[in-house]
This record gives sequence, C-alpha cells and structure tokens, in this order.
Amino acid sequence: DTEVTQTPKHLVMGMTNKKSLKCEQHMGHRAMYWYKQKAKKPPELMFVYSYEKLSINESVPSRFSPECPNSSLLNLHLHALQPEDSALYLCASSQAGSSYNEQFFGPGTRLTVL
Amino acid sequence: AQKVTQAQTEISVVEKEDVTLDCVYETRDTTYYLFWYKQPPSGELVFLIRRNSFDEQNEISGRYSWNFQKSTSSFNFTITASQVVDSAVYFCALSPRTGGFKTIFGAGTRLFVKA
Repeated sequence: DTEVTQTPKHLVMGMTNKKSLKCEQHMGHRAMYWYKQKAKKPPELMFVYSYEKLSINESVPSRFSPECPNSSLLNLHLHALQPEDSALYLCASSQAGSSYNEQFFGPGTRLTVL
Repeated sequence: AQKVTQAQTEISVVEKEDVTLDCVYETRDTTYYLFWYKQPPSGELVFLIRRNSFDEQNEISGRYSWNFQKSTSSFNFTITASQVVDSAVYFCALSPRTGGFKTIFGAGTRLFVKA
C-alpha cells in the first residue's frame, strides 16, 4: 500500500472556527510532513515529524497546531485562521533518517477561510 | 545558498513532441539529492526520480529521461513523444545534506500538452 490519504478533501471554515485536517499512511514511514501550497506556487514546508516527534517547525503561526498521535497518523489543528491561510494543504511521508528519501504525498485538503 | 531554479514557467507543446524541462540548482554541500515530482490537476505530487550527487549517470524510464550534469549544476528532464496525460506542473527539488528533512522546491514548470 503506497498511499497517503487525507481528509477532508475540501474544507470551508470561518475565522472563528476550529477544525482539523487528517493524514494517514500505512507504508511504515517514520517521517511525516505538512506543506502549504498556494495557487501556482511550490509547496512550502510547515512541519516535519520524525519518529512521532516534531523535528521541524518552519516558524508557522500558532493558529496551526500539528499532532502526531502515532506513526501512521498526522493531524493539523486549525483555529482562528485568516483568509490568507486559504490554500491546498498537503501531507507527505517518507522513510525517516535523512532528507534523502523521496516523499509520498496525499491528494491534499483544499482549505477556504471566509 | 540552497536554491532551485526552474526558469520555464509554462511550456506548451503538441502531442508527440519532445519537451525538456530545465532545472538548475545551487548548494555548497557535496552530498545532496535531486528529485523530480509531477503534480497533475488533481493536486497530488507524484515522485518521479531521485539522484544522488555522486551518481551522474543519466536515467531513462519509458518516455522519461533525466540528464544530471554537476559541471553545470543542472538536472534536466525530457519527455519524449509527449501525451496529453503529461500535462501537469513539474517540480525539481533539492535535498542537501545539511538540510535535515528540508526539501527545497523549484517554482515549477507548467506543461500543457495539446492533442
């Protein structure tokens, strides 16, 4: 199984809402990533978890809160977002240990903040 | 500085034409990996290839081929006999040894293949 799944596919939320994005992989990968991608731009790294521990936080605002409950799951909790946070949020996984490993991406959650 | 430059923003070709997507990278690391990913309209990035800095052998996979030249810091991607299904955004990416888990993406090249 070489699939990374993300739910929901689309999400519309108001600036006062709290929501969560979910990501799951069953490839035995021990590194998981959250990226944000605006239209016509490359993915921007937000967070990296390695062996369920947060290893990289790219100075992401605290209104984005990641969580890695176990090695297969990655969540992104959203609270008090701004309209400029509207984007495609991509989850990825890879074998852990280095940056050398190819990443497997999910289909993304398209988020709209009103 | 660690950087990836994809100078071609958009390319449009007619089906069956060959097309080359350019990628130039910058890094001071002697150990690094280069990648190409494809992002079709559905949104999911698909891994295509990985090369390490010590292996300059070119690679061919079906209609896809890659030319890695350290002397010019380039890692170009050629699609032979393009098809409509090749229409996508293609990202070149760099993972330097000192980057931890960071992958540096180029801006991407949007390829349109017309029937």
